[in-house]
Amino acid sequence: GESVGLHLPTLSVQEGDNSIINCAYSNSASDYFIWYKQESGKGPQFIIDIRSNMDKRQGQRVTVLLNKTVKHLSLQIAATQPGDSAVYFCAENEGDSARQLTFGSGTQLTVLP
Amino acid sequence: DGGITQSPKYLFRKEGQNVTLSCEQNLNHDAMYWYRQDPGQGLRLIYYSQIVNDFQKGDIAEGYSVSREKKESFPLTVTSAQKNPTAFYLCASTSGDHNSPLHFGNGTRLTVT
Repeated sequence: GESVGLHLPTLSVQEGDNSIINCAYSNSASDYFIWYKQESGKGPQFIIDIRSNMDKRQGQRVTVLLNKTVKHLSLQIAATQPGDSAVYFCAENEGDSARQLTFGSGTQLTVLP
Repeated sequence: DGGITQSPKYLFRKEGQNVTLSCEQNLNHDAMYWYRQDPGQGLRLIYYSQIVNDFQKGDIAEGYSVSREKKESFPLTVTSAQKNPTAFYLCASTSGDHNSPLHFGNGTRLTVT
């Protein structure tokens, strides 16, 4: 899976299937995590965030899971649609300010018809 | 609609010329950020400003300059001193509250030849 600092280039899934995008982080002091979606030629779009006092958070069709023991974050997308095709990247923050965000390089999700 | 507007979307310049990228937000956010995005890499912070008339260098500030004369505006100048200026530049803002997510503009792709 993706790592903040390493890169898993692509993930292909069939339309209607669930997608799981992974992110490994290295800073055990990080206490806030964000997932972004970036479509080609556009800016990143906030999807969902989670704080370290939680291990799961759900949004509309998306779920983020946080495993602090192994420093792993995942984004699950239910019933993947063609419009979900994009680059997804995670970000971690060990402090209070966005100045301290560290971004992963991203995973390209391709939804197959 | 509230949001962040970056202009222009595409910009072409000759080597040795300074160029200014525009970023305007109407979200009433205090903090604004400039990032650079290169293929296969995570976002890297160039400059940030947490309040009007104040700004700080990020991780890769060399060859760049900014100003923050108005809350809504945070222009970035790419100077001729920047050795590798061709990149996708992203502006972002946040309210500055504890761990509030960044909101991004749609970026400016700068090509210097």
